[in-house]
Amino acid sequence: DAGVTQSPTHLIKTRGQQVTLRCSPKSGHDTVSWYQQALGQGPQFIFQYYEEEERQRGNFPDRFSGHQFPNYSSELNVNALLLGDSALYLCASTPGTTYYEQYFGPGTRLTVT
Amino acid sequence: AQSVTQPDIHITVSEGASLELRCNYSYGATPYLFWYVQSPGQGLQLLLKYFSGDTLVQGIKGFEAEFKRSQSSFNLRKPSVHWSDAAEYFCAVVLRDDMRFGAGTRLTVKP
Repeated sequence: DAGVTQSPTHLIKTRGQQVTLRCSPKSGHDTVSWYQQALGQGPQFIFQYYEEEERQRGNFPDRFSGHQFPNYSSELNVNALLLGDSALYLCASTPGTTYYEQYFGPGTRLTVT
Repeated sequence: AQSVTQPDIHITVSEGASLELRCNYSYGATPYLFWYVQSPGQGLQLLLKYFSGDTLVQGIKGFEAEFKRSQSSFNLRKPSVHWSDAAEYFCAVVLRDDMRFGAGTRLTVKP
């Protein structure tokens, strides 16, 4: 079992650009959540996808959007990048829409210059 | 306002010594409680969780945590720390589908 995988590992973008991050959930998991972890802070919930729909959203602007595919994999898109978007983006998967057994991927480190 | 607090930003302990990491929450009701560990360059790994019942919870890697309702705390403990325990530790709470993490405590282990 490969667990939760994320790509790319690292990414450098320029302010104003757009970025897409990808996540494949653990086998048997149908729900994907995304988190932003700024340096020196705990993860902050961005949104959760279940049955290809955004089920829940944290306090993030509309520049952050996502998608879930029929195979349960997911993408996180961020438009009009700001310097403050530099962070580690974590994907977590669960069987069902609970947070009780979240499995996290290694994350994508995004640097905005 | 609902919040999760980890009062200690950084803790250093000697290998073999005991460890206690603090977590306090401020919620109107008892949330579900979790401890995660994050090694450098890694994602988060669940150490243990508390939903209800026995207030002393056993986790992986020899960790345990005790829920104290009167103190709104869920402190993580380990009787004897190993060098491989050096990492960042996060307390997290979930109440009505709202999941929040504390800011983390960085653990350094001295040889």
